[in-house]
Amino acid sequence: RKEVEQDPGPFNVPEGATVAFNCTYSNSASQSFFWYRQDCRKEPKLLMSVYSSGNEDGRFTAQLNRASQYISLLIRDSKLSDSATYLCVVNTLLYSGGGADGLTFGKGTHLIIQP
Amino acid sequence: EPEVTQTPSHQVTQMGQEVILRCVPISNHLYFYWYRQILGQKVEFLVSFYNNEISEKSEIFDDQFSVERPDGSNFTLKIRSTKLEDSAMYFCASSREGRAGGYTFGSGTRLTVV
Repeated sequence: RKEVEQDPGPFNVPEGATVAFNCTYSNSASQSFFWYRQDCRKEPKLLMSVYSSGNEDGRFTAQLNRASQYISLLIRDSKLSDSATYLCVVNTLLYSGGGADGLTFGKGTHLIIQP
Repeated sequence: EPEVTQTPSHQVTQMGQEVILRCVPISNHLYFYWYRQILGQKVEFLVSFYNNEISEKSEIFDDQFSVERPDGSNFTLKIRSTKLEDSAMYFCASSREGRAGGYTFGSGTRLTVV
């Protein structure tokens, strides 16, 4: 069974702190990796793609370790508006071709930023 | 910013009835998807659609489900005979690049089967 595992939290951190989330995935053939955020009862929204070399977007840094099948997200200088559920997502790759793969979502890590 | 539009936002239906959930993907996107999220659970893949046909479907997408792109803009999910366990938020998504790119999700249709 192809799964994505995340610590559900909640993570309660003070505003301005740095927080890190981790995620592991079981499908070694996965090719695409993402972090999404989901606010309560809303749709998932793409936060950032994750590349093998690691990538940064403002206060957010994502890392991928293919050998360990491990993905991380670091949020620096956290803000109240960062409070949300963070979803680790990999492409499902049910078949070897096509490109229209579904995504496999983790259950998410709930982050609460406290003033 | 372009949006994926879903209607209705909330649908209540009786068990055994057919429902059609509607989506308008972003106009220059080529890949279309349906996902569902049962309350308190993770987002689950149902089906992907490319080049006017189903590309992949999960084990959830059984014979009671079907998808259609009846014209150049709409993308629909039909549930033929709803069950109580079909109650969930159904998200439509589209992507320009398929697996290589991120997806844009619509705001969802909350389906309640009573």
